[in-house]
Amino acid sequence: SQQGEEDPQALSIQEGENATMNCSYKTSINNLQWYRQNSGRGLVHLILIRSNEREKHSGRLRVTLDTSKKSSSLLITASRAADTASYFCATTNQGGKLIFGQGTELSVKP
Amino acid sequence: EAGVTQFPSHSVIEKGQTVTLRCDPISGHDNLYWYRRVMGKEIKFLLHFVKESKQDESGMPNNRFLAERTGGTYSTLKVQPAELEDSGVYFCASSQVVGTGELFFGEGSRLTVL
Repeated sequence: SQQGEEDPQALSIQEGENATMNCSYKTSINNLQWYRQNSGRGLVHLILIRSNEREKHSGRLRVTLDTSKKSSSLLITASRAADTASYFCATTNQGGKLIFGQGTELSVKP
Repeated sequence: EAGVTQFPSHSVIEKGQTVTLRCDPISGHDNLYWYRRVMGKEIKFLLHFVKESKQDESGMPNNRFLAERTGGTYSTLKVQPAELEDSGVYFCASSQVVGTGELFFGEGSRLTVL
């Protein structure tokens, strides 16, 4: 991987349940972002958390960042079938290049 | 303000043929990036333009891939000749400032090589 590991690689839950995805990275970062890829196409930016932040919320999304452990988690609460997608974390290196994790395939069953 | 646009949205070609993907960044964004996701794997960096110059092309897989950004506006990514393993989704992104991590992505171009 260009960056690190995400776990789980795949997650299947029922609608209404919460989904938690984790991401680890290797180098020091300026910020960490989470993206979603829908239906094998569009890449949607979900949330950005800066290295001096520990937690951030956006709607049903909650992101945490632990720079001492070089890890982040994305929590989706009260999941919906429409949340089914691939989720990626990404970090920015000094050159401005986004480096993505392996991704988690989330399946939310109605 | 228009976002990053990519064309075509989907291209189906046969092995050995040529395909050219186009990306129009957000107006005024000097930085343009190409990424791709192959066969459900991770999203990998291909290259980074600053205006018309290639700042970093360390992710380009081989010499069958040619990226250009003449005039520093839109960019093209040509695959010639295409191979089966080139199938995937090619994403383009642009940004105004390097280092903040705020990249704006297009919808992607899905390439299927048969």
